[in-house]
Parts: sequence; C-alpha cells; structure tokens
Amino acid sequence: NAGVMQNPRHLVRRRGQEARLRCSPMKGHSHVYWYRQLPEEGLKFMVYLQKENIIDESGMPKERFSAEFPKEGPSILRIQQVVRGDSAAYFCASSPQLAGKSTDTQYFGPGTRLTVL
Amino acid sequence: KQEVTQIPAALSVPEGENLVLNCSFTDSAIYNLQWFRQDPGKGLTSLLLIQSSQREQTSGRLNASLDKSSGRSTLYIAASQPGDSATYLCAVAKAAGNKLTFGGGTRVLVKP
Repeated sequence: NAGVMQNPRHLVRRRGQEARLRCSPMKGHSHVYWYRQLPEEGLKFMVYLQKENIIDESGMPKERFSAEFPKEGPSILRIQQVVRGDSAAYFCASSPQLAGKSTDTQYFGPGTRLTVL
Repeated sequence: KQEVTQIPAALSVPEGENLVLNCSFTDSAIYNLQWFRQDPGKGLTSLLLIQSSQREQTSGRLNASLDKSSGRSTLYIAASQPGDSATYLCAVAKAAGNKLTFGGGTRVLVKP
C-alpha cells in the first residue's frame, strides 16, 4: 500500500504564472488535507476535502488559491498568478473514512516545494 | 482560537542523553494530539497519537504524555542517538477528522 504521493516534488514558477500541485491519497482514503509550511515557520492548515466536496477551507487565502478533489483522480491545489510570498512547502495528508474512532490519524506526503522567482 | 507552542525551539544534546520536548496548547477541548518527526527537506512521519482520554502512549524509546486539563504534552526520547536528530512537531485536532493545529517545532541535534 503506497503512501501519500505528491507531485511534483519541486516546482519553480515565475511571478504571475500558475502552479498546480497534485496529491494522491493512500488507497482507501477519502479525506484529504492541505497544509503550507512557509520558510522558518510551522505548518498551517489550508483546506480539508472529501471526494467532490470542500469541507473546511478556513485556512485558504481568499484570492488566487483553489482546491478540488474530484471523484476520479488526485486532489489538486491550484495557485493562480503566483507571487514570491507563495514560496513554501505544501504538504498533503490523507485519512481513511472516519468511523468515530479517535485513533484516526493523518498520513502525510513528502510535500511539494514551490519556488517563485 | 487554538494556539500550540513548543519550547524549546532548538535543543542540542550529547548522544545517550534523554530528550524532553514540551508542547502546550491553549484550548483543552481537543480530540487527540499527535507527535511528528520531520527531517530536513522531507515530509512528516507520525510518531505517536494520544487520544484525549489517554494520559500517555509509548513506542520503543518514545513516550508521550498528555495532561489535557493543563494543556500540555511532553515527548520523552530515551537514550538519544544521532539518528534522532530532526525537527519534532506536535499537533492537536479539535474533533474527529478535523484539521491539525501545529506547534512551531523543536529542532533537535544529537551529537555523537
């Protein structure tokens, strides 16, 4: 059972371009979370999705950022018109269908490191 | 709003010493607490998860305690090794399936 996959691992964009980050959750997991780690800072929650639904987007910047988790295929975090301040590591995590068990944990991918020139 | 703090921010110890890493959170109404390890340029590896009803969890040389009422958790690593050098993060969840709120991490260096 492969772990959470993220690609690309490294992404370089120029200011104004679009960045698309992909996350394939672990097999059987239907919950996906995106977090951002700015340089020298801790991880901050961005968005929580289930298949075809956004459950919690309270951590998403109001403009330029969007996320989806379609019925088929990976979850996508999209950043339009990137700026230098978007340079960060973006981590995806997945968890299985919840059954009320308090031991449910989030499994993290290796991250995508975005550099905006 | 939940805030998670980890002290110290960095720690350097000689090999063989026990490590004590602290995590505090402002809202005691948590569902669970997790400790993670992050190596430079890498993702997060879950070390231990403590349910809100538990007081501690153990895995090998690692032991994590939770005092929910005082908003504190401590991660103990016994007989540290150079391979334990990494950043250790604690994170709390308010409810099942909820987002994680992370502390800033403690960067650990174990010197041979």
